[in-house]
Amino acid sequence: EIVLTQSPGTLSLSPGERATLSCWASQSVGSSYLAWYQQKPGQAPRLLIYGASNRATGIPDRFSGSGSGTDFTFTISRLEPEDFAVYYCQQYGSSPLTFGGGTKVEIK
Amino acid sequence: EVQLVESGGGLVQPGGSLRLSCAASGFIFSTYEMNWVRQAPGKGLEWISYIGTSTKTIYYADSVKGRFTISRDNAKNSLYLQMNSLRAEDTAVYYCASVSRTYFGASDHWGQGTLVTVSS
Repeated sequence: EIVLTQSPGTLSLSPGERATLSCWASQSVGSSYLAWYQQKPGQAPRLLIYGASNRATGIPDRFSGSGSGTDFTFTISRLEPEDFAVYYCQQYGSSPLTFGGGTKVEIK
Repeated sequence: EVQLVESGGGLVQPGGSLRLSCAASGFIFSTYEMNWVRQAPGKGLEWISYIGTSTKTIYYADSVKGRFTISRDNAKNSLYLQMNSLRAEDTAVYYCASVSRTYFGASDHWGQGTLVTVSS
């Protein structure tokens, strides 16, 4: 099983600031099979990034992803008020599919 | 518009059973692989089961293997999760999610979730 570790657990930032989230995998993940999701309270997850660096349809370009192998990064270039949420990475290249523990981006 | 609507959640005693359903619309359900993902209260996301477009390929997380059964009825555009021998730790919101070929297998469509509470 590929274990995904996200860091930090919580990120306290102000609107307009840059958010950088990390996701480390216990084994190499094919770049095509790493996704990032946003989840707000009471809502289902929303796909933002797939294939480590590709934005899903309709996702603003302030969201970006990078990385390969075991080291992945998710960036929000300038935080908007609606971006404060929990973000999860997920690998879907091998079974069992696994999620990271999440990073909460909260308003400072 | 793609829609996934889960139903069947509720309160069940430990050791009991429950069957969740996921009704799909707005896309050709029979051509999409599907996942069940759950989220315990205040916790993160946990994948629990996958089913291919037919029923030939099925996977389970170790935490539910032998107790849960995933199935689908393509004629009814529906996905199911039969949950037996339920435990307190199975308490969670259960989501169905489609697997996107466009997005290399990530899940771009999710239901709103259905809450399962296992308690005496």
